[in-house]
Amino acid sequence: RKEVEQDPGPFNVPEGATVAFNCTYSNSASQSFFWYRQDCRKEPKLLMSVYSSGNEDGRFTAQLNRASQYISLLIRDSKLSDSATYLCVVNRGDMRFGAGTRLTVKP
Amino acid sequence: SQTIHQWPATLVQPVGSPLSLECTVEGTSNPNLYWYRQAAGRGLQLLFYSVGIGQISSEVPQNLSASRPQDRQFILSSKKLLLSDSGFYLCAWKSLQMNTEAFFGQGTRLTVV
Repeated sequence: RKEVEQDPGPFNVPEGATVAFNCTYSNSASQSFFWYRQDCRKEPKLLMSVYSSGNEDGRFTAQLNRASQYISLLIRDSKLSDSATYLCVVNRGDMRFGAGTRLTVKP
Repeated sequence: SQTIHQWPATLVQPVGSPLSLECTVEGTSNPNLYWYRQAAGRGLQLLFYSVGIGQISSEVPQNLSASRPQDRQFILSSKKLLLSDSGFYLCAWKSLQMNTEAFFGQGTRLTVV
């Protein structure tokens, strides 16, 4: 079993849609969690950290469920510029990435 | 401010040739350092990470090795490249604090021919 698992998608949604990504992790000792965004042929960049109480940054909401070892990302009112691959990251010193979920937002 | 440098940006190497990719970080001390590989259309595979000089944890040894000769320098090497070594190699740094993010270099796109 992979340490970090994500639905690879692709997710093809119209502008304005709400889309949710999920991620599960296997190691209960994991201590911090992140969502990264990667554009085609570029390095990943931090989208947001994920806190136990849940956190929001504009149209983006991240949730963590430690009991179920599950992380989620919700994007509301999707924009064309949200098209990218979204990677969840689980850290216990070793920063392990999921395989990524590809999102395409269409006009 | 902290910056991370990774070079070269692209590299084409013949099968069986050696490899050396270098990554350096500026503006911080004692960072955690990481090497990842990303095959086309795939996720990031952790290859090596280091919490200090000379301390290397290997995830997928195969024919690759890593060294950290200085605090802010991380080197990925191979004595003989395989076709399967082709991919996008990314170096990253992170502070020791658990809740801080990792920052990536711009990556090296390696094609083994």
